[in-house]
Amino acid sequence: EAGVTQFPSHSVIEKGQTVTLRCDPISGHDNLYWYRRVMGKEIKFLLHFVKESKQDESGMPNNRFLAERTGGTYSTLKVQPAELEDSGVYFCASSQDWVSEQYFGPGTRLTVT
Amino acid sequence: QKEVEQDPGPLSVPEGAIVSLNCTYSNSAFQYFMWYRQYSRKGPELLMYTYSSGNKEDGRFTAQVDKSSKYISLFIRDSQPSDSATYLCAMTLGGYQKVTFGTGTKLQVIP
Repeated sequence: EAGVTQFPSHSVIEKGQTVTLRCDPISGHDNLYWYRRVMGKEIKFLLHFVKESKQDESGMPNNRFLAERTGGTYSTLKVQPAELEDSGVYFCASSQDWVSEQYFGPGTRLTVT
Repeated sequence: QKEVEQDPGPLSVPEGAIVSLNCTYSNSAFQYFMWYRQYSRKGPELLMYTYSSGNKEDGRFTAQVDKSSKYISLFIRDSQPSDSATYLCAMTLGGYQKVTFGTGTKLQVIP
């Protein structure tokens, strides 16, 4: 069974540009999570989807970040416009239900210059 | 103050040593406690999961939770070079939702 996949693995953009990160969860997993790790800090929760609905978006830092999960399958996280402090590794995780283990993808390393 | 405090290391031990990794936390509402292992350029992988206070053993790994002290530990017996990774403590208020992580401790096991 394929694990959680994320694309791209690494993205380098300039301040002010837009970037879209993609996450494909494990097939059949209704729950999808986004996390972020900035340099030297802990991994922090961003938001949680149940199918296509946002269950908890309390960790989203500001309105420059937009997450979508159309059709309840893959999800995208758009950063527009990107700022220097957005640099970090963005992880996606999925689980079958909210009491089940979250399986993490390898992450997308975002560098904003 | 961070919700979860974890010494970032790095921690370097010889093969076969017993490793002790620890975290403290401030929110007494945390109920579920986890340890993740993360290899370089990979995502975190769940290693151990415990609910409330007590011990849990799985092979060479033992997780301990002391809720009265807000302190959790992971012990690795007979450490192997393949155990070299970053170990992240984590906790949630309920189930696996909205995981709160420590910063991680980088472990190197020297052959």
